Amino acid sequence: ELKVEQNPLFLSMQEGKNYTIYCNYSTTSDRLYWYRQDPGKSLESLFVLLSNGAVKQEGRLMASLDTKARLSTLHITAAVHDLSATYFCAALGRGDMRFGAGTRLTVKP
Amino acid sequence: KAGVTQTPRYLIKTRGQQVTLSCSPISGHRSVSWYQQTPGQGLQFLFEYFSETQRNKGNFPGRFSGRQFSNSRSEMNVSTLELGDSALYLCASSSQTLGTSGGVQETQYFGPGTRLLVL
Repeated sequence: ELKVEQNPLFLSMQEGKNYTIYCNYSTTSDRLYWYRQDPGKSLESLFVLLSNGAVKQEGRLMASLDTKARLSTLHITAAVHDLSATYFCAALGRGDMRFGAGTRLTVKP
Repeated sequence: KAGVTQTPRYLIKTRGQQVTLSCSPISGHRSVSWYQQTPGQGLQFLFEYFSETQRNKGNFPGRFSGRQFSNSRSEMNVSTLELGDSALYLCASSSQTLGTSGGVQETQYFGPGTRLLVL
């Protein structure tokens, strides 16, 4: 059974600092997704990673995928307050998709 | 381009009833996925439809069903509602294109969600 473990669950950062969110999954996955969710809002798709070694960047966020280690990372560079949100990863494997528990990120001035 | 729309936005039902939720994808998108979000279970994947065929399916009981029409609009049905079905139901439409490096790029867009309360 596919399981997805995300850490940390809570992250408080100072503006300008860098940090990484980790997403481990337990079995072979076809795709790895990263999402953002603001309080009371729907999901926003950030990245879809399809192959080993895939790296995608958008603004201060960069996602990578290592299928051999079954690990994806979401790296935050020079955090700003607007990045405060909950971030989820999800893995699709054998027709099912499983989500991590989410990382609640707070960026403080 | 109009975004993903979901109707209704809010719904109150009682146990034992059934409910149908609707999702209209972005024009040209052939894939629609459904998700459930609850405080206790978090985000869970229900199913994905592509060109009227169920392509992927999560681990939900048979009370949860869906379908997709020829215009890509999708409906999700929950029969014999239980209190635990109270949740935010999200749908997303997606398209796949060829990226600049030749690989497949997938872009997914979410609707605002339907909040279902079962009493």
